Amino acid sequence: SQQGEEDPQALSIQEGENATMNCSYKTSINNLQWYRQNSGRGLVHLILIRSNEREKHSGRLRVTLDTSKKSSSLLITASRAADTASYFCATRNTGGFKTIFGAGTRLFVKA
Amino acid sequence: DAGVTQSPTHLIKTRGQQVTLRCSPKSGHDTVSWYQQALGQGPQFIFQYYEEEERQRGNFPDRFSGHQFPNYSSELNVNALLLGDSALYLCASSTDRSSGNTIYFGEGSWLTVV
Repeated sequence: SQQGEEDPQALSIQEGENATMNCSYKTSINNLQWYRQNSGRGLVHLILIRSNEREKHSGRLRVTLDTSKKSSSLLITASRAADTASYFCATRNTGGFKTIFGAGTRLFVKA
Repeated sequence: DAGVTQSPTHLIKTRGQQVTLRCSPKSGHDTVSWYQQALGQGPQFIFQYYEEEERQRGNFPDRFSGHQFPNYSSELNVNALLLGDSALYLCASSTDRSSGNTIYFGEGSWLTVV
């Protein structure tokens, strides 16, 4: 079964707006990562946040992590049409080796 | 610095046949993981290889097997193909020596079983 569950499943916004995606997970983790996937392509790593971190920024991306609620959010500010893609959260369990992905959020940014 | 490379990019196989997919990890990476991604779904973990051994396995039948070579490259083999094996197969590499263990993906191999 999937470890991470993204919400919403799909999101449609206008260019320039902010996009927020949420991820919930079930067990203790070492870190949480966000990936982007353009249609039919490989996944591109966006950002990693460790379990002892609460917030991290990278360019237009802001990620938060709340380990007490077992949840994370990815905020993309000032979205662009090129941000249209699927976004996945992925977690690595404490003491484990595998990274587990959720089903993803499909983001559509309209020009 | 080459990233993760996979071959072939696309292939079509018939039910019952066998397939081998190949992966070269990112330079400096010693760990290779394989994922299956069906259309509209997230990647599902198949297994991970480290030091030429299968270190962890997901919920996949024994028809799925793999190998890691001394140069860290890896193969995924699927026997007795089923229609449901049609998917994008992704290889990801990482190194336990780095903190955070970010994994990097190849572009994938599209497998269609007819």
